[in-house]
Amino acid sequence: DQQVKQNSPSLSVQEGRISILNCDYTNSMFDYFLWYKKYPAEGPTFLISISSIKDKNEDGRFTVFLNKSAKHLSLHIVPSQPGDSAVYFCAAKNFGNEKLTFGTGTRLTIIP
Amino acid sequence: NAGVTQTPKFQVLKTGQSMTLQCAQDMNHEYMSWYRQDPGMGLRLIHYSVGAGITDQGEVPNGYNVSRSTTEDFPLRLLSAAPSQTSVYFCASSLGREETQYFGPGTRLLVL
Repeated sequence: DQQVKQNSPSLSVQEGRISILNCDYTNSMFDYFLWYKKYPAEGPTFLISISSIKDKNEDGRFTVFLNKSAKHLSLHIVPSQPGDSAVYFCAAKNFGNEKLTFGTGTRLTIIP
Repeated sequence: NAGVTQTPKFQVLKTGQSMTLQCAQDMNHEYMSWYRQDPGMGLRLIHYSVGAGITDQGEVPNGYNVSRSTTEDFPLRLLSAAPSQTSVYFCASSLGREETQYFGPGTRLLVL
């Protein structure tokens, strides 16, 4: 049972435009959400996170939105750059629990 | 700081062989964990440790053993490798269980 779902395996976006990556979760106990970015042959690197007490968190070009009622979060990248081409993983946890549950990932390709 | 290091980068095993995947971190992190990444499955937690001498099972622990004799090292042992253990293995560490996890570069394992 996949508790964190990323339904789009891949996404292509023109350089300079907005990239929107989506993530849905089913476990209502999750209250902390993270996005990780992964380049080939490297480990995932932390990008941005959001607590369930917020509905938006921003860090430079990256913004994460959380819709608790819909159990949905999204990552916006504006403007998209070629270096953003990577696989993006959504992850969730219960803040009192160390275990992270990951989604299956979305491969983002930025077209120059 | 080297961060989180993993050895080997790539390994081929025959069914029934044993081996140890090494993981070390030089950030004095208390929390360490092992994940496996399989196509279409995201990253799944195998085992984790909240400090030296303390380990616990994650989502997919069967076929794997761990120990944590020092803060720096967290080896993952495959006692009798099976083709189902063909995967990419990532080690991660964090300052505490609530902190952001830092991942190593991964070990790609092929079991024939």
